[in-house]
Amino acid sequence: EIVMTQSPATLSVSPGERATLSCRASESVRSDLAWYQQKPGQAPRLLIYDASTRATGVPARFSGSGSGTEFTLSISRLQSEDFAVYYCQQYNNWPPVTFGGGTNVEIK
Amino acid sequence: QVQLVESGGGVVQAGGSLRLSCAASTFAFSSYAMYWVRQVSGKGLEWVAFIDQDGSSEYYADSVKGRFTTSRDNSRKTLYLQLNSLRLEDTAVYYCAKDLTVAVAGAVWGQGSLVTVSS
Repeated sequence: EIVMTQSPATLSVSPGERATLSCRASESVRSDLAWYQQKPGQAPRLLIYDASTRATGVPARFSGSGSGTEFTLSISRLQSEDFAVYYCQQYNNWPPVTFGGGTNVEIK
Repeated sequence: QVQLVESGGGVVQAGGSLRLSCAASTFAFSSYAMYWVRQVSGKGLEWVAFIDQDGSSEYYADSVKGRFTTSRDNSRKTLYLQLNSLRLEDTAVYYCAKDLTVAVAGAVWGQGSLVTVSS
């Protein structure tokens, strides 16, 4: 099973600043990585797939990078609606489909 | 717009059973593999089950193997999750989803259905 580890668990950022979230895979997943955003009481929403491709309708301030075992989600100029929990998920080697533990981006 | 709507959640005693449904609309349901993912309140996401397009192939997380069964009725555009021998630790919101591992650009999740297992 591929273990996905996200850091930090909580990130405190001021509106307008940049947020950088990390995701590490226990073995290479090539570029088969997605990022999801989840707000309280809502289902996860796809932001990024194939490590760096924005999903339809996702603002350009969201960007993904990395391959192999190290990945980054960057959010430039955080807006109020961006404060949420973010999960990475690998789909290179499954089952099982595995998710990271999440990063909570909170208002500083 | 692609829509998935779960139903069937509720409160059940430990050892009991429940069946969740996931109704699909506005996409060719029979062409897509489907997934179940659960989330304990305040915790992360845990994949539960997978079923392929015609229901001929299924995979399960070790934590539910032998207790949960997923199935589908393509004529009704509905996905099911049968939960048997429920345990307290199965208490969670259960989501159905499409495109989690193939054609991930089209990943969509339902709104979730809460299952509470009581003692």
